This record gives sequence, structure tokens and C-alpha cells, in this order.
Amino acid sequence: EIVLTQSPGTLSLSPGERATLSCRASQSVSNSYLAWYQQKPGQAPTLLIFGASSRATGIPDTFSGSGSATDFTLTISRLEPEDFAVYYCQQYGSSPWTFGQGTKVEIK
Amino acid sequence: EVQLVESGGGLVQPGRSLRLSCAASGFTFDDYAMHWVRQAPGKGLEWVSGLDWNSNNIGYVDSVKGRFTISRDNAKSSLYLQMNSLRPEDTALYYCAKGPYSSFIYYFDYWGRGTLVTVSS
Repeated sequence: EIVLTQSPGTLSLSPGERATLSCRASQSVSNSYLAWYQQKPGQAPTLLIFGASSRATGIPDTFSGSGSATDFTLTISRLEPEDFAVYYCQQYGSSPWTFGQGTKVEIK
Repeated sequence: EVQLVESGGGLVQPGRSLRLSCAASGFTFDDYAMHWVRQAPGKGLEWVSGLDWNSNNIGYVDSVKGRFTISRDNAKSSLYLQMNSLRPEDTALYYCAKGPYSSFIYYFDYWGRGTLVTVSS
């Protein structure tokens, strides 16, 4: 199975700053089948990005995804107060579909 | 509006069984793949099982193979997870999640709020 490792574990930033989250795969993710989700406390995850770089419906363009093969990045260009949450990457190129352990973006 | 409502969770002893249900609305259920994803308390996400629109293709994570069975009833717009031989490590919030296409080889575009399963004596 493909193991996804996210870094850093926690990112402490201020509103308005740029956030860069990393997701590294133990083997190449076929077709760049990688998604990103946001999860706020007590809520279900929300899809942000699929296919490594395509934004889901209703997701603002402050969120962008990039990368291929084993290295992927989620960038939040300017953090809004509602963006402080936990972010997970997920690969769906090889069964079983697996998630990273998450990156928490917290207010500094 | 897509809605996924899970039910059937609860406290169960190790070795016992439980059946989860997910009632779907707001979309044409039999056009899409469906999944179960779980989250242990304070932990990350783990895909458990998924199936395509007509149940011809089904997948499970290794840790539940032979114990859990996923199924769907398209006439009732419902997804199920039969969980047998439950273990303490199965304790988690179980989410029902929708796929974006008929094949289950994709991501999850909508999620329910989850139903909590606690396995403990």
C-alpha cells in the first residue's frame, strides 16, 4: 500500500500569511490521483482538491494544489480565519486508498 | 443538496456484530460509487471499503477483509456496512462518503456526519 507522509505536523501562522503543506508518497501515485481535504473540529472532511491540482466546486482560488509522482503540495495563498483546520491528503491511484496523517494549521 | 445520514452505531462488545446504514438523498444514488471511511478518536482518516454503482466492484482495506461486508440498495438509496467479529481497534467514527463517478476508483466528494462505533467490554 502507498504510505503518505505529510509535513509539517503542525503549521503555526497568522491570518493573511501563506501556508505550504507537503504530502510525500512512498511510491509514485498513478495519474496524479491525489486529493486534499479540510477538516474542522467536530465536522466531516470537505473535499478541496482532486487530481492533484483541480479545485472542487465552491473552493476559493486561495487554495491550490500542485505536484506529481511522489511529491505534492497544497498552498493556501492568504489564510482566512476559517482556514485554520486539519488538512489531509489522500491517494486513489492504488488500492487501498490511503490518507496522510494530517497537517494542523493553527493560529500563531 | 447532497445529504448522507449514517445510523446504526453504538457500543458493542468485542466479537459481536453491528450493521451501519447510510441514507442518501439529493442526488441519483445509483449513478455513483459509495464508500465507508473511519476515524478513530483523535486520529486520522482511514478508507474502509467502497463499491461501484452496481456493486460489481468492491474493495476493502486489509484490516477488515473477511469481517466487514459493504452493500447497497439502489432502490432505497441506501448504503450498508455489516461489521462482524468486531475488535477494539475498530472503534471509530464511521463516515459514509460519495464518489464523484460510478466507479469507486476515485476520491470522496461528499461526506456524512458519521456514526460512532465503540467496541469495548
